[in-house]
Amino acid sequence: EVQLVESGGGLVQPGRSLRLSCVVSGFTFDDYAMHWVRQAPGKGLEWVSGISWNSHSIGHADSVKGRFTISRDNAKNSLYLQMNSLRAEDTAFYYCAKDINGDYVDDAFDIWGQGTMVIVSS
Amino acid sequence: SYVLTQPPSVSVAPGQTARISCGGNNIGSKSVHWYHQKPGQAPVLVVYDDSDRPSGIPERFSGSNSGNTATLTISRVEAGDEADYYCQVWDRSSDHVVFGGGTKLTVL
Repeated sequence: EVQLVESGGGLVQPGRSLRLSCVVSGFTFDDYAMHWVRQAPGKGLEWVSGISWNSHSIGHADSVKGRFTISRDNAKNSLYLQMNSLRAEDTAFYYCAKDINGDYVDDAFDIWGQGTMVIVSS
Repeated sequence: SYVLTQPPSVSVAPGQTARISCGGNNIGSKSVHWYHQKPGQAPVLVVYDDSDRPSGIPERFSGSNSGNTATLTISRVEAGDEADYYCQVWDRSSDHVVFGGGTKLTVL
């Protein structure tokens, strides 16, 4: 069974850091690009970051560029999102999502995790 | 940056056809993907590359894309189709993924 399980969310003060993890199983992780997508309470989907199968191509939304860093460890079947300088507007449910292909360009996301909640508040 | 425009809501009676639009500048030149999301659940891919369906998605779901509008069509709508629907494209000018604002489908 294909599974993506996120962890690492929680309550954090503005300006602090948090690291999200996504452990996958049921498919060959290093064949596929991966993404982080977030959803603020009651709002729509917002792409955060994407990374190709070999980590050679990486992209971040303008809203998080310079603060968030996506990475992966293919040996551990794991995807990460390092979030620094967190702001109240980063409060959202964070999903990891599997790309249909190996690069992260122009593709759909065919498998999603259940998400982890991040709340940025003092 | 590239903007995708979806109607906030669409309502349809059971058994009828629902059409959800996704507008964008020359969107017909892009590959459009569609997701539905039920309350408290993760999004699910229902159509990719304009009109292809992932395995397990009923044939009632179809897509088209031309000019400045892409459309998700749901035939013979069922109560279980009630959800939020999002379109998605890749914006080459910014190298970013872009989602539409979402459309709430209500089955009357």
